[in-house]
This record gives sequence, C-alpha cells and structure tokens, in this order.
Amino acid sequence: QKEVEQNSGPLSVPEGAIASLNCTYSDRGSQSFFWYRQYSGKSPELIMFIYSNGDKEDGRFTAQLNKASQYVSLLIRDSQPSDSATYLCAAKTSYDKVIFGPGTSLSVIP
Amino acid sequence: GAVVSQHPSRVICKSGTSVKIECRSLDFQATTMFWYRQFPKQSLMLMATSNEGSKATYEQGVEKDKFLINHASLTLSTLTVTSAHPEDSSFYICSARERVAGVRRNEQFFGPGTRLTVL
Repeated sequence: QKEVEQNSGPLSVPEGAIASLNCTYSDRGSQSFFWYRQYSGKSPELIMFIYSNGDKEDGRFTAQLNKASQYVSLLIRDSQPSDSATYLCAAKTSYDKVIFGPGTSLSVIP
Repeated sequence: GAVVSQHPSRVICKSGTSVKIECRSLDFQATTMFWYRQFPKQSLMLMATSNEGSKATYEQGVEKDKFLINHASLTLSTLTVTSAHPEDSSFYICSARERVAGVRRNEQFFGPGTRLTVL
C-alpha cells in the first residue's frame, strides 16, 4: 500500500465549477498535510497546509481533513483555466518525513 | 512565503562528467533541505535529506557515492551528480524547511528545479 494515494485523473471540470481533489494516507500518526500545485515543467508550489480536523479556507481554496478516515481533500471554487495543473497531496508522517502522493491532473475547460 | 533558489536551472553535459547543483534559501535559515528527482509524468521521489553540519540521509536505492550532498551552511546545500549517465537525466528539485525562533516549521518550500540532460 502506498503511503499517500491520489486519483491520477485527469479530472476535467468546466470553468466556474468546483473541482474536488481527494487524497488518502496510510500512516495514522501523520499530523500535517499539504497541497501543492505543479505546472508542467515547473516545481511544486505550496497552496495550503492543514493540521486540524475540519475545513480550512483560503480564498477559492478549501482544504478538508478527516483524521479518523485518513482523508484529505482540496476544493477549488470558481475554477479557472489557470488552475489547470497537477495537484500533489503530501503528508508529514510520524517519522518526520514528508511523503508526496502521485498527483492528480486537473484540467479546467473554458 | 519563503524563497528557495536553485542554480543552474538547466544543464546539458556529456556522459561521465560531474554536475553540481546549488540550492539556496534566500530569506530564511534552513537547517534541513531535501533533494527530489522527478521523471516525466511521475511524482516526486525523495532522494536524500540534507542536514546542516552533518551527513545526508539517503533513501533506499539512492547511491550516496553517486549523488554527493553537502550542506555547508544554513542557507546552502549542493547536490553533485558524479559520473553522470543518460539515465540520470531528470528534473532535480530541492526544498527547504524554515526554522523560526528555533522551531522547525513543517511546510517545505521548493526551488525552481534543475533540468539535467546527460548526452
């Protein structure tokens, strides 16, 4: 079992819709979770981090964490074509290592 | 956010040569830096963790004698790919964790990456 799993996609949504990206992790001791966006040929950039159960909102982005279900999600409201990228979920494990998922490719259709 | 730079951004070299990549934290101290490799359409693969003033910790399957890491200061880590071969061609990305008031933060900030092509 991979430590951090994501649906590879591609996920296609129309412009203006809500994009929902999901991630599960295997290490129940993980406490910190991150979402990164990576454009093709570029390095990842941090979008959000979340440490506590529940929702965390930042502009059009909302991260959701459910530690009991070992599940993290990222919602992007009012999706724009510029949001088209690969989204990487990452978890800081109980042994102090940040593990990245394989990424979900998002395509926002104008 | 914290800024991390990498140099060079792109390098093309002949097989058998060595290539050094620099990673710098520009506006913060980074006691820990990480080196990743990413092949096309694949996820980030952690190669090693670099701690200032001590030896790097390599992931399983990564040859420490081939990928030399030096973390000489709180703002600089270098990765040297020795005797590079075509299969080493990849996108190499470093990241750094910030230490604020003696507390290490959890977020990692990535450099822009170095694209290595070995002919």
